[in-house]
Amino acid sequence: QSALTQPPSASGSPGQSVIISCTGTSNDVGGYNYVSWYQQHPGKAPKLMIYEVTKRPSGVSDRFSGSKSGNTASLTVSGLQAEDEADYYCSSYAGRSWVFGGGTKLTVL
Amino acid sequence: EVQLLESGGGLVQPGGSLRLSCVASGLTFKSAMSWVRQAPGKGLEWVSLINPSGDSTYYADSVKGRFTISRDNSKNTVYLLMNSLRAEDTALYYCARLQGGFDIWGQGTMVTVSS
Repeated sequence: QSALTQPPSASGSPGQSVIISCTGTSNDVGGYNYVSWYQQHPGKAPKLMIYEVTKRPSGVSDRFSGSKSGNTASLTVSGLQAEDEADYYCSSYAGRSWVFGGGTKLTVL
Repeated sequence: EVQLLESGGGLVQPGGSLRLSCVASGLTFKSAMSWVRQAPGKGLEWVSLINPSGDSTYYADSVKGRFTISRDNSKNTVYLLMNSLRAEDTALYYCARLQGGFDIWGQGTMVTVSS
């Protein structure tokens, strides 16, 4: 049950796109299509942004998209807006357990 | 309104016990439910999950043998009994519904383990 690997930080200017990676192993990210992404603003509960690698919950902007290749999943945020500045966490099913990434702080410059 | 409301957190001495509760309202409770914690200033850590009927439970290695998850579907409530608490268990404990991903979260209840 090792944590997934995310870059500690990412940044972009308004209107730009940014990609956040999430690297695991064949026992989690690479082995199942159950990767999800969460946005967390300071002092708030996490919010589901992407589930099952590519699916977006109702109400989540289509500026957020997910993908996966091998053991690495990615979250793309397009058309960056000020309100996108937050911490982002990936998560994966890992066979009778779930694991989160360490989190990425996204800064909108 | 769809809501998960946690309670039961507090200050406890090392080696002590606490029972957390999470009451669901405005949503279908016929889903797997999980506890996820976040230590101060740190990231999210999955703790435990229980299936809809309550007959299958799963735990992180860090809490296995010390924590017990259970649910009472007649009360729309999930519990986390935490025994042999350690300083490293200090965290904000969130209750979350698993449906695709963890799609609904409560606001959390704080657990502090300190002498």
